[in-house]
Amino acid sequence: AQSVTQLGSHVSVSEGALVLLRCNYSSSVPPYLFWYVQYPNQGLQLLLKYTSAATLVKGINGFEAEFKKSETSFHLTKPSAHMSDAAEYFCAVSGDTGRRALTFGSGTRLQVQP
Amino acid sequence: DAGVIQSPRHEVTEMGQEVTLRCKPISGHDYLFWYRQTMMRGLELLIYFNNNVPIDDSGMPEDRFSAKMPNASFSTLKIQPSEPRDSAVYFCASRDRWGNTEAFFGQGTRLTVV
Repeated sequence: AQSVTQLGSHVSVSEGALVLLRCNYSSSVPPYLFWYVQYPNQGLQLLLKYTSAATLVKGINGFEAEFKKSETSFHLTKPSAHMSDAAEYFCAVSGDTGRRALTFGSGTRLQVQP
Repeated sequence: DAGVIQSPRHEVTEMGQEVTLRCKPISGHDYLFWYRQTMMRGLELLIYFNNNVPIDDSGMPEDRFSAKMPNASFSTLKIQPSEPRDSAVYFCASRDRWGNTEAFFGQGTRLTVV
């Protein structure tokens, strides 16, 4: 079985500050991990993904995430928050065999204060 | 490709009525997923198909819900009869056969049952 846990349903940062959104996973097989972003009244858009190549993954809009097997973590970071980053962020996991459906975390709503 | 296309974008219906949500996946994708998003339960997987065959429908909440995929380019999610607690945003997503690729989401259908 696979699952992800996102710590913190709401995160608030100031514009220009570091963004850190936490995700821990559980998987009985080598995982593939994803971060998605959802803007209001829109679908989910892929930010970045880990697929067992480089452990540090760079995505769109200046976001990156590091896969740490020893910590079973895949935290999302951005050095400097922008107002346009305000959205909901979802971490997701799937396995490389068998079940192909992504299992999502509960989401983290990011607020960016001016 | 135009991406995953869902229709309608919004649906308001009265309790007891039948509701049909539609989805056109990305051409060439082998997997199609139906998710439901609510404030209380987050993103829940309802059912997914592989090559038009339902693989896992354990997330379908009740017998009132049914899903079909008559061909590779079309799927429906039907609720009959609808109830107010079915109000949610329903997303369709598709994915190709390779485990290291992401799922692409449609814009969703916002269903309101009054």
